Amino acid sequence: SQTIHQWPATLVQPVGSPLSLECTVEGTSNPNLYWYRQAAGRGLQLLFYSVGIGQISSEVPQNLSASRPQDRQFILSSKKLLLSDSGFYLCAGGIRDRPYEQYFGPGTRLTVT
Amino acid sequence: EDQVTQSPEALRLQEGESSSLNCSYTVSGLRGLFWYRQDPGKGPEFLFTLYSAGEEKEKERLKATLTKKESFLHITAPKPEDSATYLCAARVVYSGGGADGLTFGKGTHLIIQP
Repeated sequence: SQTIHQWPATLVQPVGSPLSLECTVEGTSNPNLYWYRQAAGRGLQLLFYSVGIGQISSEVPQNLSASRPQDRQFILSSKKLLLSDSGFYLCAGGIRDRPYEQYFGPGTRLTVT
Repeated sequence: EDQVTQSPEALRLQEGESSSLNCSYTVSGLRGLFWYRQDPGKGPEFLFTLYSAGEEKEKERLKATLTKKESFLHITAPKPEDSATYLCAARVVYSGGGADGLTFGKGTHLIIQP
């Protein structure tokens, strides 16, 4: 079965500082990978998705970027954090033969101060 | 625009009191409706996938059903451990790269009191 790892679990960063969140996948190869942000009262918002190494698509323009340097590694970054970047960030993976059964990692709680 | 709307936003039940959560969707050519459970501070946990009207799936005290316009998550004789936020999602085609993915509702926060 597929397992999604994320770290760190919590992060407090000042405005204007850089960000790097990492997600790794275990138990499958060539998965579809997704980054979501969850804010109170707003539900899960898709930020980026990737169908393969180096292939990144964004659904919402924002202060963030994503990269996929390896098949099972997905990174979310920012050069300068904004207060509005605070939230709960979730990485998810979809298995190739069942891509819509997305399996989520434990999440990272980011607070920008 | 593809949309998924869940109701109610919050629901408080007594232990053993059965009820239903609603998920309505406006999606062009629905190709899958998904239910997840999310505990506080954790990532969503996959529960069910439904693909066609009339389909039903069951897991312990939960049963998900699907019509052409909405899905219901029925909870029978719930226990306190069923307390969580339940998320509904529909399979959509992303505009950015054309790949398929999910669009989520805001969830129903369910509390089961002992």
